Amino acid sequence: QKEVEQNSGPLSVPEGAIASLNCTYSDRGSQSFFWYRQYSGKSPELIMFIYSNGDKEDGRFTAQLNKASQYVSLLIRDSQPSDSATYLCAVNGWSGGGNKLTFGTGTQLKVEL
Amino acid sequence: EADIYQTPRYLVIGTGKKITLECSQTMGHDKMYWYQQDPGMELHLIHYSYGVNSTEKGDLSSESTVSRIRTEHFPLTLESARPSHTSQYLCASSDDRGTDTQYFGPGTRLTVL
Repeated sequence: QKEVEQNSGPLSVPEGAIASLNCTYSDRGSQSFFWYRQYSGKSPELIMFIYSNGDKEDGRFTAQLNKASQYVSLLIRDSQPSDSATYLCAVNGWSGGGNKLTFGTGTQLKVEL
Repeated sequence: EADIYQTPRYLVIGTGKKITLECSQTMGHDKMYWYQQDPGMELHLIHYSYGVNSTEKGDLSSESTVSRIRTEHFPLTLESARPSHTSQYLCASSDDRGTDTQYFGPGTRLTVL
C-alpha cells in the first residue's frame, strides 16, 4: 500500500462545475496535509494546507480533512479551464529522524468548455 | 522578494560530462530538497538537507551528490552524466516551524545525449 494514494484520473468536469479530488494516507501520525497544483512541464505550486479536522476555505478552493478516516480532499468550485492541471496531495509525517513530506502520484484534472 | 531559484532552466549535454545544477533560496529556510520527476510521473525525493553541513539521501537512489555549505545554497552534481539522468530536477525549501510547507523552484530540465 502506498503511503499517499490518489486516483490518477483524468477527472473531467464541465466549466463551472465543482471538481472533487480525493486523497488517502496510511500514516495515522501525519500532522499536516497539502495540496499542490502542477501544470504540465512546470513545478508544483502550493494551493493550500490543512492540519485540523474539518474544512478550510480559500477562494474557490476548499480542503477537507478527516483524520479518523485518513482522508483529505480538495474541492474546486466554479471550475475554470485554467484549473486543468495535475493536483498533488502531500502528507507531512515523521520519518528517518525528521519531518518528511510524502507526495501522492497526483490526479489529472481536465475542465472542459 | 523571497524566492527560490534554479539555474540553468534547461540543459542539454553530452554523455560523460560533469554537471552542477544550482539552487538558491532567499526564503531564510533551513531545509532544502531535490526531487526528480519524469514527464507525467510522480515526484521522487533524491536528496535533502536540514541545515548547513547536513545532507541525506532520499527515497530514490541517485548517482548525484549534493552539498550544503551555505544555508541559502544547495547544488546538485552529476560527475558523469548519462542518458538515464535525463529528467526534470526540482529544488524545494521549507522552514522548520509550523507546518513545514515546501516551496518549489522553477526546475531544471536536463537532457543527456
